[in-house]
Amino acid sequence: SQQGEEDPQALSIQEGENATMNCSYKTSINNLQWYRQNSGRGLVHLILIRSNEREKHSGRLRVTLDTSKKSSSLLITASRAADTASYFCATTSTGGFKTIFGAGTRLFVKA
Amino acid sequence: DTEVTQTPKHLVMGMTNKKSLKCEQHMGHRAMYWYKQKAKKPPELMFVYSYEKLSINESVPSRFSPECPNSSLLNLHLHALQPEDSALYLCASSQVGETWVKEQFFGPGTRLTVL
Repeated sequence: SQQGEEDPQALSIQEGENATMNCSYKTSINNLQWYRQNSGRGLVHLILIRSNEREKHSGRLRVTLDTSKKSSSLLITASRAADTASYFCATTSTGGFKTIFGAGTRLFVKA
Repeated sequence: DTEVTQTPKHLVMGMTNKKSLKCEQHMGHRAMYWYKQKAKKPPELMFVYSYEKLSINESVPSRFSPECPNSSLLNLHLHALQPEDSALYLCASSQVGETWVKEQFFGPGTRLTVL
């Protein structure tokens, strides 16, 4: 069964606004990662947060992790049209390579 | 070089054909992955190689046969595929930490159509 579930499934915002995406998972994890995918292309790694971390920043990105609730959120601040893409969370199980992607959030940023 | 390359970019094959997908990386990563992605769906893990040995096979049908000839190359051999196997096939690689897996670098994918 799918590990990560994301909401919303789709999000449409104006340029300059913030976008927040949420991810939930079911089992113990080693780390949680966020990826971006432009239409029909390969995925680009955005940020990795380990299970013992609670928050991480990278440029306009802010990721939080709550292992007690088995959830994570990705915040993109001051969004740009170029941020239009699908965003996936991915979890890696403890001690293994198995990586499971969430259903993804499709973000559309209007110029 | 932080790139994962995949060939071909597009592949159309009949159900009786045999073809291969190729993936290459020169980042010194010792874990390599194959994923299958259907339209508007997340990538689904198929196989993982660690130090050139098959580590994970996610119950993939035998018509898909992976091969890791060396630490830089990963192949996926295809035979007797079905139309439902049409998808974007993604290759990825990553470093391997002591007890955990690091971020994965993805190739652009091969878009496969099975007629």
